[in-house]
Amino acid sequence: DAKTTQPPSMDCAEGRAANLPCNHSTISGNEYVYWYRQIHSQGPQYIIHGLKNNETNEMASLIITEDRKSSTLILPHATLRDTAVYYCIVSPTVGSEKLVFGKGTKLTVNP
Amino acid sequence: NAGVTQTPKFQVLKTGQSMTLQCAQDMNHNSMYWYRQDPGMGLRLIYYSASEGTTDKGEVPNGYNVSRLNKREFSLRLESAAPSQTSVYFCASNSRGGFREAFFGQGTRLTVV
Repeated sequence: DAKTTQPPSMDCAEGRAANLPCNHSTISGNEYVYWYRQIHSQGPQYIIHGLKNNETNEMASLIITEDRKSSTLILPHATLRDTAVYYCIVSPTVGSEKLVFGKGTKLTVNP
Repeated sequence: NAGVTQTPKFQVLKTGQSMTLQCAQDMNHNSMYWYRQDPGMGLRLIYYSASEGTTDKGEVPNGYNVSRLNKREFSLRLESAAPSQTSVYFCASNSRGGFREAFFGQGTRLTVV
């Protein structure tokens, strides 16, 4: 499975957009990009995933570069409740069954 | 619909004691996972089960055993607990193939003294 690189921490002002980068330069053609977040000590929560097109749902947007070597998770209007650790994962949908998490990015939304 | 249920939520063990962490999911998922999370760290995969009757090692399997009892249940056993196994343990499940959103339990906080 491809490895990911994320900054260890980021800050964002409440109400502003939070842009969380992820580098996955060794991603394979059949691997999707998944984003999860973990609020405080709860179990991680799925946010969004994509293959090569940009994706949007009620929680966030995912922008994947054309070469698929990096992506950005966008929280358009961050709130205090978005303070969490955000994990970027790459994984194929079939074949490998492992979901391997890195250390993620600790996002702190400040009032 | 309870999702993924872990028991117990908290546990204190003495070094050398054994215990089994239980996990059950009611979403008819094929794949189940056990992770551990140490303070300030990300999740590390201990074992996973792609389907009923199969299990495979993850990143940190030493000191643990697992059983995929049936499609719903996946247990994690510590045969002889050590202080280094003090951690929060998360169970997760997802469907195999296609859309792979994983659902997590609320965790078991284990302290080994």
